[in-house]
Amino acid sequence: DARVTQTPRHKVTEMGQEVTMRCQPILGHNTVFWYRQTMMQGLELLAYFRNRAPLDDSGMPKDRFSAEMPDATLATLKIQPSEPRDSAVYFCASGLVLKSGGGANSPLHFGNGTRLTVT
Amino acid sequence: SQELEQSPQSLIVQEGKNLTINCTSSKTLYGLYWYKQKYGEGLIFLMMLQKGGEEKSHEKITAKLDEKKQQSSLHITASQPSHAGIYLCGADKGGGSQGNLIFGKGTKLSVKP
Repeated sequence: DARVTQTPRHKVTEMGQEVTMRCQPILGHNTVFWYRQTMMQGLELLAYFRNRAPLDDSGMPKDRFSAEMPDATLATLKIQPSEPRDSAVYFCASGLVLKSGGGANSPLHFGNGTRLTVT
Repeated sequence: SQELEQSPQSLIVQEGKNLTINCTSSKTLYGLYWYKQKYGEGLIFLMMLQKGGEEKSHEKITAKLDEKKQQSSLHITASQPSHAGIYLCGADKGGGSQGNLIFGKGTKLSVKP
């Protein structure tokens, strides 16, 4: 069963430290998404890539967050410096987006997330 | 911007009872997705609806999209403890052109044995 793999599953760090989260999308999927989930806000889209190119990162605080996709098998989300308000579960999802406009695409497949706690 | 509102926010039912969760969109839905999430895990895809009036079923779960494509419901028949979790509806943002989804805040379902 193909699945999205995220590491680490849990991360506890002190304020000001750098945090890097990694994601291995499902082979063959052309689009990778980073979401953040909190009790207050629910699931929020941070950034996403199509064929490794960044399409939209307007959901990310630009001064401290960065997302990259160095190759087709790895996506990274980095926070530097981390702050307590960044504490959340970060999900990576991948999907195959074929349609250029209108209609629905195939469903996204989610990893199990990285639970980040910044003290 | 499009928003998805789910109701109820939480639900406690006795095992064997039926239940319905609703998802209402502020704009026309081009694709509506239902996911289930267990604590500490990712979202598991349940069903996707695209056409007005469409209805899909899987085991004891049925999802419908209304004719106007602005509301969807998820119905569970004869609930079991295994149905417990958080149910989220998601919608294609921007008419489905990019594949990114916005989500409702979820409905937490507890099933008492």
